[in-house]
Amino acid sequence: DTGVSQDPRHKITKRGQNVTFRCDPISEHNRLYWYRQTLGQGPEFLTYFQNEAQLEKSRLLSDRFSAERPKGSFSTLEIQRTEQGDSAMYLCASSLAGQGASDCFFGQGTRLTVV
Amino acid sequence: DAKTTQPTSMDCAEGRAANLPCNHSTISGNEYVYWYRQIHSQGPQYIIHGLKNNETNEMASLIITEDRKSSTLILPHATLRDTAVYYCIVTFRGQGGKLIFGQGTELSVKP
Repeated sequence: DTGVSQDPRHKITKRGQNVTFRCDPISEHNRLYWYRQTLGQGPEFLTYFQNEAQLEKSRLLSDRFSAERPKGSFSTLEIQRTEQGDSAMYLCASSLAGQGASDCFFGQGTRLTVV
Repeated sequence: DAKTTQPTSMDCAEGRAANLPCNHSTISGNEYVYWYRQIHSQGPQYIIHGLKNNETNEMASLIITEDRKSSTLILPHATLRDTAVYYCIVTFRGQGGKLIFGQGTELSVKP
């Protein structure tokens, strides 16, 4: 396992379309995070899972956004009815919480452009 | 909001030490200081973390003041590949907690 992987790396979509991103965390990590980063800003927390349970959602996560981690392994982030303001880098990160906790490791991100 | 304050940008000559400061005056007793960096178009990369004592690893050194209200990340021999945005983050360890990023410091290493 070489780290957190995200797919696709780049996505261009038309306004109003739905998009889905996938994140595969480091295999033994039980926590998975989604962040969003716009140009010139630091990453902003969106939501996180511990195993399959979604434990926290930011106010940034509007009703058009939904995230799942059905089997406690990979996760998907879906954006419905995309808007130009959704254009950003979407970052996934994972960590191990609890005994022997690890630090947080990030994927390379998915860059979304809404045209 | 981020609990840290960092300069917006800094320059460093290649081969020299880069010293990146961070203020975290409201840090609580159990919070750690973490440093991440983000090279253009990549995800953030973990560098180092510390609680009270100074720490060193293969990438950098972290100096934390005795009152823990500020810290300095030191890259001892900066290279062009160290050009990146460096984020200082204060957070609890062991809970896998979310990270609150500020604006970071854009470090430019020049030949």
